[in-house]
Amino acid sequence: ETGVTQTPRHLVMGMTNKKSLKCEQHLGHNAMYWYKQSAKKPLELMFVYSLEERVENNSVPSRFSPECPNSSHLFLHLHTLQPEDSALYLCASSRDPQGGRKFFGPGTRLTVL
Amino acid sequence: GIQVEQSPPDLILQEGANSTLRCNFSDSVNNLQWFHQNPWGQLINLFYIPSGTKQNGRLSATTVATERYSLLYISSSQTTDSGVYFCADSGGSNYKLTFGKGTLLTVNP
Repeated sequence: ETGVTQTPRHLVMGMTNKKSLKCEQHLGHNAMYWYKQSAKKPLELMFVYSLEERVENNSVPSRFSPECPNSSHLFLHLHTLQPEDSALYLCASSRDPQGGRKFFGPGTRLTVL
Repeated sequence: GIQVEQSPPDLILQEGANSTLRCNFSDSVNNLQWFHQNPWGQLINLFYIPSGTKQNGRLSATTVATERYSLLYISSSQTTDSGVYFCADSGGSNYKLTFGKGTLLTVNP
């Protein structure tokens, strides 16, 4: 148990579906992150939120839309995805967005048909 | 951005053996972390170690910041140590933790 939870753990969706991934951290941290892990590739940073404000968008296509309603919750809204978007999506948090230890959730394994 | 090189890419051990994993960095390290990813995808933060040496049970890590490398030692390995070990650092970036490609460790009973 890392103090970061994610739901759902597995998701299968069609290319025309709209779905959302949810992340919650119970650590009192100020920064939250979305990462993508594809097969045979290093983890890729997608988005960074600091105190509910997006501070980095790492050239992510607009079919991925993040939302951070408060410092404990982070969502990733998915819309019109492609099969190549199938991956493990990992949420993380840290006390300080500019450094410090990162704690990861268990991930959502997404399959786009 | 910072480049992170991990070695070896794969490692197979018998239970009880010791091992050393290495990370080299192309830039100054200031946010260095080691992670273990289990077969189900969960990433566990093992160490936050921008410099010096830390120990946690059978695991220890050493970072030589002046020479831009870090080592992870696993002693008396167990089958539950299997998985992928990643190191990461942000270099000069404000937010982006760059990960290496990982070392896939398999511990056989």
